[in-house]
Amino acid sequence: EPEVTQTPSHQVTQMGQEVILRCVPISNHLYFYWYRQILGQKVEFLVSFYNNEISEKSEIFDDQFSVERPDGSNFTLKIRSTKLEDSAMYFCASLPASGVYEQYFGPGTRLTVT
Amino acid sequence: KNQVEQSPQSLIILEGKNCTLQCNYTVSPFSNLRWYKQDTGRGPVSLTIMTFSENTKSNGRYTATLDADTKQSSLHITASQLSDSASYICVVSKAAGNKLTFGGGTRVLVKP
Repeated sequence: EPEVTQTPSHQVTQMGQEVILRCVPISNHLYFYWYRQILGQKVEFLVSFYNNEISEKSEIFDDQFSVERPDGSNFTLKIRSTKLEDSAMYFCASLPASGVYEQYFGPGTRLTVT
Repeated sequence: KNQVEQSPQSLIILEGKNCTLQCNYTVSPFSNLRWYKQDTGRGPVSLTIMTFSENTKSNGRYTATLDADTKQSSLHITASQLSDSASYICVVSKAAGNKLTFGGGTRVLVKP
């Protein structure tokens, strides 16, 4: 069964450094998402991406964050200058089309900012 | 404010017993409600998806109900197994954009 993959599984970085989290959505899916889950808290929506542009973003997704789909298969989340509070699990998800479809989540990347 | 609240926060049940988890939401406009199972350190896995016109949906030993009038949903687990130990998250999607609003989850521990 097709699945969403994410790399790395765990990333440790120092405060102020840039990180790029990578996701490979399911082939032929059209909608892509990033979510984050701070330890012990709810999963939170960050951003949705469709047709090579951001379709919606949350208040968490400030100027330090960016997303892109550089080569038609990878979907990346960049944090320009990490802060301690960016430490969380980051989940990528993809959706085949608009509507009542299952969003398939990747296994997540655990980001630890020290 | 669009919110999804779940209860209880956690529960312990004996293997083979049934349990019911509750979800209340205020997300509007409403498109659909989902229940996800999340194992520790893993991504959520979809159990059921229901639109406002659906009252109940089953997936094996999992049965979800939805009352769109009262904005309540429940997830019933029948004949629990040790592998059911996980967090169960109620998630609501708005009418556009498929943005998901997550509840805080109910952590279920099934003991032998």
